[in-house]
Amino acid sequence: EADIYQTPRYLVIGTGKKITLECSQTMGHDKMYWYQQDPGMELHLIHYSYGVNSTEKGDLSSESTVSRIRTEHFPLTLESARPSHTSQYLCASSESQGYGYTFGSGTRLTVV
Amino acid sequence: ILNVEQSPQSLHVQEGDSTNFTCSFPSSNFYALHWYRWETAKSPEALFVMTLNGDEKKKGRISATLNTKEGYSYLYIKGSQPEDSATYLCAFVSGGSYIPTFGRGTSLIVHP
Repeated sequence: EADIYQTPRYLVIGTGKKITLECSQTMGHDKMYWYQQDPGMELHLIHYSYGVNSTEKGDLSSESTVSRIRTEHFPLTLESARPSHTSQYLCASSESQGYGYTFGSGTRLTVV
Repeated sequence: ILNVEQSPQSLHVQEGDSTNFTCSFPSSNFYALHWYRWETAKSPEALFVMTLNGDEKKKGRISATLNTKEGYSYLYIKGSQPEDSATYLCAFVSGGSYIPTFGRGTSLIVHP
């Protein structure tokens, strides 16, 4: 039973469209993260949040933005999708620093 | 940028074989080391969170060891089964950022 939910699971969208990838968790975790992964590559951190109204950029530069208005919700938005944004996006949360992450099932985004 | 290396990149074994993989990470400013199992079409699942030099963790047929002084961790699978087929990720957590840096993973395929 998933405690962290990502939608959509798959998305094919045209260049220039605005998209929002949803991520919600039911565990009450303060810490939430967005990772991007290209095939055969590492998961790269693009955004994280340590609580409501707190967001930071990760080590991989990204044109996406995030918001954290509620503890359980951490959506990621691309204002204008480009083919270079084609990737898998994984959302995760953790109880505390150093604890293992709980991951969502990911969103596979294809921009054509 | 922290360097987390996993080897081998991929591994094919027969059912019943025992196998092991390596995760190498910086030997300074260590906070924790995570291991995850990521099955196809599922979410990455936390296996172990290791924090102390010399730690040994076990979960069924899977075990892990940790050497923080030399910067490596081994994951062992005893008597591999087809359901063990997955990508195994390790993630290094430094004492500075407290955010995991992931390796590229080891892809394990267990043939019946």
